[in-house]
Amino acid sequence: NFMLTQPHSVSESPGKTVTLSCTGIGGSIASNYVQWYQQRPGSAPTTVIYEDNQRPSGVPDRFSGSIDRSSNSASLIISGLRTEDEAVYYCQSSDSGNRGVFGGGTKLTVL
Amino acid sequence: EVQLLESGGGLVQPGGSLRLSCAASGFTFSNYAMTWVRQAPGKGLEWVSGISVSGGSTYNADSVKGRFTISRDNSKNTLSLQMNSLRAEDTAVYYCAKPGVSGSYNPAPFYWGQGTPVTVSS
Repeated sequence: NFMLTQPHSVSESPGKTVTLSCTGIGGSIASNYVQWYQQRPGSAPTTVIYEDNQRPSGVPDRFSGSIDRSSNSASLIISGLRTEDEAVYYCQSSDSGNRGVFGGGTKLTVL
Repeated sequence: EVQLLESGGGLVQPGGSLRLSCAASGFTFSNYAMTWVRQAPGKGLEWVSGISVSGGSTYNADSVKGRFTISRDNSKNTLSLQMNSLRAEDTAVYYCAKPGVSGSYNPAPFYWGQGTPVTVSS
């Protein structure tokens, strides 16, 4: 079964750039689009990247996404970190049975 | 403006049943596949079920297969999740979600509702 793995937590300082990784296990990350969601405590998730690297309207261009076939991973890159970026970030894709798959989430701390 | 309003959550005993609903507005409901995603307390997101635009194709996570049934009523702009044989591990907030693009089927959430909590406990 296809799975997505993410580091449990990442810390970085305001103004810096952070890269959050999402590695595919048991299948190719490039087979289906990858989405990224931001979830702040007590709130529903919101989409920050869809279809690997597309940014919804209203999401700052500090957020970008990419796919690396060689490492079978997807990345969410956040530049110019702000304290309000502190949240849990989830990657999502699909398996061969057309079912959704989420990574376990990465807690981003900005300090 | 896209709005997804879940309802039907609550406290239920193990082995019991519950039916969740999601009232959709602000878009042409019949043009979009829909999904349910859940989040157990303090845990990550778990994709639960997806349904095609017509309702003719449904997909379920292994953890709920045979117990949960997703359905839709395009005439009422409503998505449903019938949950039977509930277990303690089904305790979670259940989110209704819509993809960003129309099409026969797409399991990727884009817009999310605010969720409805389900607690399975005696």
